[in-house]
Amino acid sequence: AQSVAQPEDQVNVAEGNPLTVKCTYSVSGNPYLFWYVQYPNRGLQFLLKYITGDNLVKGSYGFEAEFNKSQTSFHLKKPSALVSDSALYFCAVRGSNSGGYQKVTFGTGTKLQVIP
Amino acid sequence: KAGVTQTPRYLIKTRGQQVTLSCSPISGHRSVSWYQQTPGQGLQFLFEYFSETQRNKGNFPGRFSGRQFSNSRSEMNVSTLELGDSALYLCASSFETGVSYEQYFGPGTRLTVT
Repeated sequence: AQSVAQPEDQVNVAEGNPLTVKCTYSVSGNPYLFWYVQYPNRGLQFLLKYITGDNLVKGSYGFEAEFNKSQTSFHLKKPSALVSDSALYFCAVRGSNSGGYQKVTFGTGTKLQVIP
Repeated sequence: KAGVTQTPRYLIKTRGQQVTLSCSPISGHRSVSWYQQTPGQGLQFLFEYFSETQRNKGNFPGRFSGRQFSNSRSEMNVSTLELGDSALYLCASSFETGVSYEQYFGPGTRLTVT
């Protein structure tokens, strides 16, 4: 069964400092990996994805993520955090199920708090 | 291109009632997935529909059901509501080619069961 782990319930970072939100995954075959952000009382907004190609993926709002196959990780990063980045971040993976169709599995989410 | 729309945005129901939520996917997207989000359980997959057929199902009781219409719009129904069904219900539409996949979420329907 595929799974996603976000080991930190909350990450605190000072404004202007670099941020990292961690994600590791387990899936059969080659993974499709995603990051989403959720603001209070809103749906999930797509940030970026890894399908194939370069291990460093650039996304919306200055975020990027690095795919590491050997460590089965897909950490989200940003060089300089903004207060407006404070939100709930979800990592997700898409793999294969027994029926041959692929579903998306989400992590439990990491709350990012950027401190002014 | 319009995004994923969900109606209604907010809903208050009484225990024992039933409810129907609606989702209109992005134009051209044929797959619709439903998720339940609660503070305690996080984001839980309910089911996925593709071309009017359910092709994936999560671990929810039979009180939760869904369907998809020929125009890709989807509805989910919850019968005999329980207090624990109070949650944010998210719909996502997706599009896949041989080399890519994209999934976008709607704003959600906040269901409160009293």
